[in-house]
Amino acid sequence: AQSVAQPEDQVNVAEGNPLTVKCTYSVSGNPYLFWYVQYPNRGLQFLLKYITGDNLVKGSYGFEAEFNKSQTSFHLKKPSALVSDSALYFCAVRDWGGSQGNLIFGKGTKLSVKP
Amino acid sequence: GAGVSQSPSNKVTEKGKDVELRCDPISGHTALYWYRQSLGQGLEFLIYFQGNSAPDKSGLPSDRFSAERTGGSVSTLTIQRTQQEDSAVYLCASSLETSGGDSTDTQYFGPGTRLTVL
Repeated sequence: AQSVAQPEDQVNVAEGNPLTVKCTYSVSGNPYLFWYVQYPNRGLQFLLKYITGDNLVKGSYGFEAEFNKSQTSFHLKKPSALVSDSALYFCAVRDWGGSQGNLIFGKGTKLSVKP
Repeated sequence: GAGVSQSPSNKVTEKGKDVELRCDPISGHTALYWYRQSLGQGLEFLIYFQGNSAPDKSGLPSDRFSAERTGGSVSTLTIQRTQQEDSAVYLCASSLETSGGDSTDTQYFGPGTRLTVL
């Protein structure tokens, strides 16, 4: 069965410092991986996805993610954090095993960026 | 362009009442998904529509839950005889899905409906 793990419930970063939010996955077949962000009382906002090709994927708001097949990881990164990046971040994998293509989400990581 | 919209944004109901949640997907998106977000369960998948058809309803948590989609567009999720454990945020997402199975298309989410069952 497909699964996604986000090992950190919370990540604290000082503004201007680089940030990393970790994600590991377990899939059979091709890993279609996604990152979403959720601000308070809002829906999920798409950040970026990895399908194939270059292992470094660039997305919205200066975020990027690195796909590592040998470590089955897809960590989200940003070179310089902003206070406005504080939110809940979800890693997800697309599950086509049941022919429905739904997303399977990690439990989420709360990112807190302090001035 | 317009994103996915959901209504109502908030719904407070009494235990035992029926509720209906609405999702309006992005125009032209053939696939529609319902998810539920709760503190204890995180984000869980409920049901998927391709066009008006839902091939597998096994993700629905109980037979009190049902969903339909008409005209390949608007979808409604109905919860009958609501229970307190139904309290959650119900999220709808849509995607283009031009390539059918094994599609890599992105799912775009609506703002959600926060359901509170008293």
